[in-house]
Formats: sequence, structure tokens, C-alpha cells
Amino acid sequence: DIQLTQSPASLSASPDEIVTITCQASQDIGSSLLWYQQKPGKSPQLLIYSATILADGVPSRFSGSRSGTQYSLKISRLQVEDIGTYYCLQVSSSPLTFGSGTKLEIK
Amino acid sequence: EVQLVESGGGLVQPGSPLKLSCAASGFTFSSNWLNWIRQAPGKGLEWVASINPDGSSTYYPDTVKGRFVVSKDNAKNTGYLQMNNLRSEDTAMYYCGITFAYWGQGTLVTVSS
Repeated sequence: DIQLTQSPASLSASPDEIVTITCQASQDIGSSLLWYQQKPGKSPQLLIYSATILADGVPSRFSGSRSGTQYSLKISRLQVEDIGTYYCLQVSSSPLTFGSGTKLEIK
Repeated sequence: EVQLVESGGGLVQPGSPLKLSCAASGFTFSSNWLNWIRQAPGKGLEWVASINPDGSSTYYPDTVKGRFVVSKDNAKNTGYLQMNNLRSEDTAMYYCGITFAYWGQGTLVTVSS
């Protein structure tokens, strides 16, 4: 099974700061990685697919990148509405696996 | 507008079956993969099942394989998750989704005696 090691588990940042969340895959998954934002009591919302492509309607301050088997989600200028928990998901091979999540809070 | 509405959740005893439904609208249901994920209270997301567009192939993690069955009725634009021999660890919010881009609001399954 492919493991996704997501870090950090939580972080607190101020508005307008740059925030980066990473997922390390245990083996090559190519670009088969997605990023989601989930707010309390809500379903996950897609932010990024194919590792780097911004989903429709997602603000341009969100971006995804890949370096080998390490994947990153960057929020370039943090906004208050960005609070929530962020997850990565690999869809390269079954079983599909999620990262453990990053809880983002605003200072 | 893509809409996915789950139903069928509830409180059941361990060992019981339960069938969830996922009513879809706003897109061509027959052309899309259907996926189910779940989230135990206070925990992260877990993939539960996937089915290809024509329903001929299904996929499950080991945690539910042999107990859960995913299906879809393209004529009714509805997907299903039949859950058998439920365990306490299956307690979670269950979400259906298409192409991993859209998810419903979820339906809560509680397995407890």
C-alpha cells in the first residue's frame, strides 16, 4: 500500500503569511495526487488535482507543486476563511490513501 | 450544478446490514466513477469503495472488502453502498463522490449496541 506522510499535523499562522503543507509518498505516484480543504461539519472541497492543477473556483493563492515523491500545497497569502483541515489523497493505485490531515488555525 | 445527496444512515447494532444511497444530478452519472469515503468522529478521511462508470469493476480497501458492496444504477442516477456485518469501527460519516471532485453532504452511520 502507498503511504502518504503529511506534515505538519497542525499549524497556526497569521493572515497574509505564506503557509506550506507537505505530503511525502512512500513510492512513485506520478501526478496522481489531490488536495482538499475540509471545514468542520462539511464535506471535503477539492483544491488541487493532478498535483498542480487548481480546481475550478479555487482562489489563486492556493497552489500545488511536486518534487519527486514530495508534494506541497502552498497558500500564498493566508486569509481568515482558509481555516480548516487539509488532506492529500493519492489515486495512483488501490487502496487509495489519504494523508493524516493538517489542521490550520489563524493566529 | 452537480448535486450528490446521501441517505440511509442511522443507528444499527453490530452485525447488522445497512444500505446507503447516493442520488446524483447535474451531470452525466453513467460516464463517471462513483466513490465512497468515510470519516469517523474526530478522525481523518478514509477511502471505502469505488466503482467504474458502467459498474463492471469495483474496488475496496481490506478494511471493508468482503463486507461492503458498491453498485450504481445508471438508469436511476443513483449509487449504493451495501454494508454488511457492521462493526463499531464502521461508525462514521459516509460521503459519496464523483471523480474525486464533488462530494455529497454525507450520511451518518452509527454502529452500537
